[in-house]
This record gives sequence, C-alpha cells and structure tokens, in this order.
Amino acid sequence: QSALTQPPSASGSPGQSVTISCTGTSSDVGRYDYVSWYQHHPGKAPRLMIYEVTMRPSGVPDRFSGSKSGNTASLTVSGLQAEDEADYHCSAYAGNNNFRVFGGGTKLTVL
Amino acid sequence: QVQLVQSGAEVKKPGASVKVSCKASGYTFTNYPLHWVRQAPGQRLEWVGWINVGNDNTRYSEKFQGRVTITRDTSASTAYMELSSLRSEDTAVYYCTREDWPYQFDQWGQGTLVTVSS
Repeated sequence: QSALTQPPSASGSPGQSVTISCTGTSSDVGRYDYVSWYQHHPGKAPRLMIYEVTMRPSGVPDRFSGSKSGNTASLTVSGLQAEDEADYHCSAYAGNNNFRVFGGGTKLTVL
Repeated sequence: QVQLVQSGAEVKKPGASVKVSCKASGYTFTNYPLHWVRQAPGQRLEWVGWINVGNDNTRYSEKFQGRVTITRDTSASTAYMELSSLRSEDTAVYYCTREDWPYQFDQWGQGTLVTVSS
C-alpha cells in the first residue's frame, strides 16, 4: 500500500495564496478522481475540505480549491487567514485491494 | 447533527488488546460505512480498515490483517475496533470516520489515544 507524497511544510503571509501538492501513482491519484483533503488542527478531529479532487463540502470557504494533473493533486488556499494554520492531509482511493492511502501531511504556517 | 463519539484514552501493556468504540448519532447508522484511521506521533494518517455497517462486511489494511477486528452493534449505533498483540509502535490516536459517497471521510470522531507501554 503506497503512501502519497506531500511536502512537510508550506507557508504564506495573510492574504497570500499557497499550494500544497500530493503526489501518488497511476494506481491511485492518476487513476481515480477520488482525491480528498483534510484540515487537521492539533487535538481536534480532521475536517473534510475537498472531495472528488475539486468539490467543496458546504461550509468550506471558497478560498479552498483543489485540482489534479496526472499523478499529482493540489490544494490551493487563497487569501490566507490565521485560522488556516493547520496540518493538511490528502487521501486517495486506490481501488479494491489498496483501499485508502494518505499523504504524510503538510504543516501550513501563516506567517 | 451528525456526531461520532469515541471512547476514552487507554493505556495498555505490550501484548495486550484494546477495543475502541465509536457511537454514531444524527443519521441512519446502517447507511454509511465506517473506517478506522490512526495517527502515531509525528507520523502520517494511516488507514486501518473499514466496515460496511449495513451488511457487516469488513476489509483491513494488509499491515493490520490478523491483528485487527472491526465490528458493529446496529442496536446501539456503535462500531468497534479491536487491535490485539499490541506493541509500542501501536501508540497512536485512533479515529473513526464516516465514509460518504464517493470515497470521502465527511465526519470524524474526536479520536482515542491508545498508549502501549510496559
């Protein structure tokens, strides 16, 4: 079960945009449009931010957007705010045998 | 509103077993699969396994096959994850999470810290 690759950290100043990548393989990210992103504040439950690569659940600000190209998915946070500082994890569906894979998480710092 | 409420923190000795519960409310329990995901200190989220709450089918990560059992009690709207032969590397926060279609984890429990220490 291969894991997804994320940069360990990312940062930006308030109001700026930052993009976090999530690289998988042709068996998961590249094969299915089932990539999701989760925001995780320490000590709290993760929160779904993006599903099906680009879709936002109700209640998630439109500052959060997702995309995919080949085996790499990306999460972009525009107009950074202090409360966006958190860990962000990507996840992908990997077919029937390798059911779910996660990225290593990216710590987003708002400077 | 939808809630997943997990049981409290556990401290176990190596070789022991632990059983974590996840009580669901605010939705029809049998309509959504439940997964278990863990995060060891400083590590990534790691998928443990899932249960089709409607028909009781389960599937586990190869890493935990043979050591993990996920069950559910529909009368109590509660799912359980039991991990046996615990070792120090199993020290982690364990989360239950609901899967909505397609393949998204839309609700999460608050997490249960399991500490394995002699």
